[in-house]
Amino acid sequence: ELKVEQNPLFLSMQEGKNYTIYCNYSTTSDRLYWYRQDPGKSLESLFVLLSNGAVKQEGRLMASLDTKARLSTLHITAAVHDLSATYFCAVDGVSGSRLTFGEGTQLTVNP
Amino acid sequence: DAGVIQSPRHEVTEMGQEVTLRCKPISGHDYLFWYRQTMMRGLELLIYFNNNVPIDDSGMPEDRFSAKMPNASFSTLKIQPSEPRDSAVYFCASGIMVGYEQYFGPGTRLTVT
Repeated sequence: ELKVEQNPLFLSMQEGKNYTIYCNYSTTSDRLYWYRQDPGKSLESLFVLLSNGAVKQEGRLMASLDTKARLSTLHITAAVHDLSATYFCAVDGVSGSRLTFGEGTQLTVNP
Repeated sequence: DAGVIQSPRHEVTEMGQEVTLRCKPISGHDYLFWYRQTMMRGLELLIYFNNNVPIDDSGMPEDRFSAKMPNASFSTLKIQPSEPRDSAVYFCASGIMVGYEQYFGPGTRLTVT
């Protein structure tokens, strides 16, 4: 059974600081996805990482994938309050389309 | 495109009643997914369809749950009879193909009393 683990699960940080969220998964996969969810809202796709070494950046967020280590990171640079949300990583299983989600990291950025 | 459309957005029902959730995927998307989100279990995939055909329903909790996709633009998730433990947010998502992101609908918040 594919397991996806995120850490930390809760992150409180100050504006302007940098931090990294980690996503580990238990079986081979070349595809990893990051989503954002605001309270009471739906999930919004942030990044799709499709190969080992893939790196994508959007604004203050940068995601990377190391398939050999079965690890993805979501790095936050100079955090701002608008980044406060829950961030999920998800991994494709061997069946292809079936996504398994991590528990989510609840990020709070304080002024 | 309007994105994935779900209805109703909120549903409150009594235990034992039948509940039907509806989803319209993004036009041209061949994959449709139903998820359930709870605090205890997080996000769980219930079932997904490819070209209207159910591919993997191993996440459907029990026989009380059923899903159909009669055509490319409509899917339903039915719970009969409903129980309080079915209370959750149910998301529908659609996607173009494997390896591309899934686009989520706004969700249906179901409360069973």
